Order: sequence, then structure tokens, then C-alpha cells
Amino acid sequence: DVKVTQSSRYLVKRTGEKVFLECVQDMDHENMFWYRQDPGLGLRLIYFSYDVKMKEKGDIPEGYSVSREKKERFSLILESASTNQTSMYLCASSLLGTTEAFFGQGTRLTVV
Amino acid sequence: GENVEQHPSTLSVQEGDSAVIKCTYSDSASNYFPWYKQELGKGPQLIIDIRSNVGEKKDQRIAVTLNKTAKHFSLHITETQPEDSAVYFCAASSSDYKLSFGAGTTVTVRA
Repeated sequence: DVKVTQSSRYLVKRTGEKVFLECVQDMDHENMFWYRQDPGLGLRLIYFSYDVKMKEKGDIPEGYSVSREKKERFSLILESASTNQTSMYLCASSLLGTTEAFFGQGTRLTVV
Repeated sequence: GENVEQHPSTLSVQEGDSAVIKCTYSDSASNYFPWYKQELGKGPQLIIDIRSNVGEKKDQRIAVTLNKTAKHFSLHITETQPEDSAVYFCAASSSDYKLSFGAGTTVTVRA
């Protein structure tokens, strides 16, 4: 079974802090994604990566950056956390050329 | 970009009854339409998908239909059970990897 693991289930950070959300997958998938989930808005794509050191902006990249130094790990970075970034963050991965995404359990981030 | 609308936002059904969730999409180039189920405290999980060269697909109690002309697709769950209670997301894709999701439907199955 594919396993996508997010390092934290719950996280509370202060406004202005630099925040790192980590995601690791164990199935050698080329594609990795970061989504944000908010009630009534569904899942919105923040960034995705189709290879090591490659990244592309999704629909809502403002205020975020990403890092993919190794194939299995994809990090989401909030350079200066703000209260409007309080949300559920979901990491996903998929094989190159396929669309079935496998999701992690999510990280609920609260910025106070 | 692709815009996916999903209705209803909440759905309450009696155990044993059917549930139907409908989605529309805007990009005529979209050719892949998956449905994900998210149980409480978990990430979404793929339950069924359909490609644009197929009009209907069934897997036990769940089925998906696609009308490309009208740009809409639907999820049908028959003989609902308590374990069907979850949030369901539809999605559409015109590329090999990028999915656009609907807003989600919270389904509650009443015993």
C-alpha cells in the first residue's frame, strides 16, 4: 500500500513565524502535491512537483514556497505565517503519467 | 482554469436509501473524473473514477455517470450503510497530474 506521511497532525504557530510542513511518500512516486482544504472551498492546489528540485505553482501559491531535495520528500514552507493560513493542509503523491493521487492524513495548522 | 461545482453540500439519507451527488465542470478538455471519500480524521481516498471515453462505471454499490456534452458527472451510492457517512469530493483533470476539486458533499447516513 502507498503510504504518504505528514509529519504533524496538529500544529499551532504564531503570526510571523516560519513554518515547515513535511511530507514523505514511500512508493517512489514522481509527482507530489500540497493542497489546502477549507470548508465550502474543497481542496485547492498550492504547489506541485513532478521531479526532484522541480516545482510549479498551483492555484493559490501566494504566501507559500516548497522544497523537494529528495524524491520521497516534499516540504511546504510558510515564510511568515498569517492567520488566514489557518487551515487543513494535505499532501499527496502520484506516479508519473497517472492521475490517481494518494493523500496523507493531513496537518491542521492554526496560526494565532 | 478548470472550475468544478458540486451539489449538494450536505446530504442526509436513511440507511438503505440511495444517495446522488452531482458535479459540473467547465473545461471541455477534461478527460478524467475521480471521486474521493474522506472519512473523519483521514485524508481523501479514491473510490471510483471514470474517463471521458466511458459513460458509466460501476463498482458494487457505487456508480459514476458522465455526460460530456452537458459537462456533468454524478456519483450514485445504492443501499447506503452507516460506513458511507463521509465527505465526498468530485474532481476533474485535463492533464496527467493536476486535479481540480469540487467543494465537497457531507453525506450522513441515518440508522
